[in-house]
Amino acid sequence: KNQVEQSPQSLIILEGKNCTLQCNYTVSPFSNLRWYKQDTGRGPVSLTIMTFSENTKSNGRYTATLDADTKQSSLHITASQLSDSASYICVVSAAGNKLTFGGGTRVLVKP
Amino acid sequence: GAGVSQSPSNKVTEKGKDVELRCDPISGHTALYWYRQRLGQGLEFLIYFQGNSAPDKSGLPSDRFSAERTGESVSTLTIQRTQQEDSAVYLCASSLGGTGNPYEQYFGPGTRLTVT
Repeated sequence: KNQVEQSPQSLIILEGKNCTLQCNYTVSPFSNLRWYKQDTGRGPVSLTIMTFSENTKSNGRYTATLDADTKQSSLHITASQLSDSASYICVVSAAGNKLTFGGGTRVLVKP
Repeated sequence: GAGVSQSPSNKVTEKGKDVELRCDPISGHTALYWYRQRLGQGLEFLIYFQGNSAPDKSGLPSDRFSAERTGESVSTLTIQRTQQEDSAVYLCASSLGGTGNPYEQYFGPGTRLTVT
């Protein structure tokens, strides 16, 4: 069964600090991995999309890594800002255009 | 340009009634997805349309759920005889192609459905 597990479920960080979110998956066959940011009451917004051959991809202060051998990904947030408070969702695409969503990590940035 | 739009933004209905939710994708996007998100939970895939191909309905939870798409434009998700467990936010997303390719997927703001 295709699964995407994220950790931690939630975390609180101080403004200006860095944090790293984890994503482990068992989706096969793998097509690509996506990270989304979802603000409360809004639809998800894409941060990065990585294919099998990509190890790292950045989008501003967000950097995603992918290890296709161990089926792990991480999302690193640098110099966090209050606006980074949101849920971050790891999503893996398998062949056949099926997306498997992780449960998300809820991040709260405090001043 | 305009993003994905959904209507209504909120819908309150009585148990047993039918509801229809609408999604207007980004113009030119051939792929359209419907998802459900229950309070505090992750997204659940419901149905996927790709161009003129037969839709992938494998995520629809019961035969009370159905969806239609007119060509490569508007889509409607219909829930018949609504139940309280149908209460959720229903999200629509569109992209240039299927997510088996690294196409960006753009989400609408969602329709919050409450079944009383």
